[in-house]
Amino acid sequence: QQPVQSPQAVILREGEDAVINCSSSKALYSVHWYRQKHGEAPVFLMILLKGGEQKGHDKISASFNEKKQQSSLYLTASQLSYSGTYFCGTGGSNYKLTFGKGTLLTVNP
Amino acid sequence: GAVVSQHPSWVICKSGTSVKIECRSLDFQATTMFWYRQFPKQSLMLMATSNEGSKATYEQGVEKDKFLINHASLTLSTLTVTSAHPEDSSFYICSARDLTSGRAVPDTQYFGPGTRLTVL
Repeated sequence: QQPVQSPQAVILREGEDAVINCSSSKALYSVHWYRQKHGEAPVFLMILLKGGEQKGHDKISASFNEKKQQSSLYLTASQLSYSGTYFCGTGGSNYKLTFGKGTLLTVNP
Repeated sequence: GAVVSQHPSWVICKSGTSVKIECRSLDFQATTMFWYRQFPKQSLMLMATSNEGSKATYEQGVEKDKFLINHASLTLSTLTVTSAHPEDSSFYICSARDLTSGRAVPDTQYFGPGTRLTVL
């Protein structure tokens, strides 16, 4: 079952914050966040495995709610390099990933 | 992070020919690799799971006789698009789980750079 991502697109000015959500109707085994730039392969950002987990790196962080049905990706003080399409992938016990439709993030100067 | 390579980066072929795409894990062993297809401005769709030493498992709707997968070693999986047609033109991406290097969080999938296939 494909997770639902929102918003579909967001435009920011450099330095602004953004939140991207990923939700499912059933509890998830794991959530994986990737960023893809045009014409390139997805780049791994982070993985969340436990309900209530929060983690981050530099100014990008993510959370996984207690019921493991929703994850949010937080982009703080956005930089031009943050532009791209963000995908959440939900993992099952068989390690397969099902990706959402993606969120197009554009950061302008 | 772990490094996955793909070859070629792009290929243009005539309709009816076969194309082979290689996916290699460079600094770790991968007993399982995954093949995805992505059409422009769309999400990644899992095509099949490649298992070292055994047959690949295909997702519903993916023709196994058209998309041949061979996982010859712990670092190499190949996808062969047989009798390619224009509708097969797409961005093909592989990924692998790093279970051996000790650097990655288990379950993390690392993607190769992708192969853009254009069938004329």
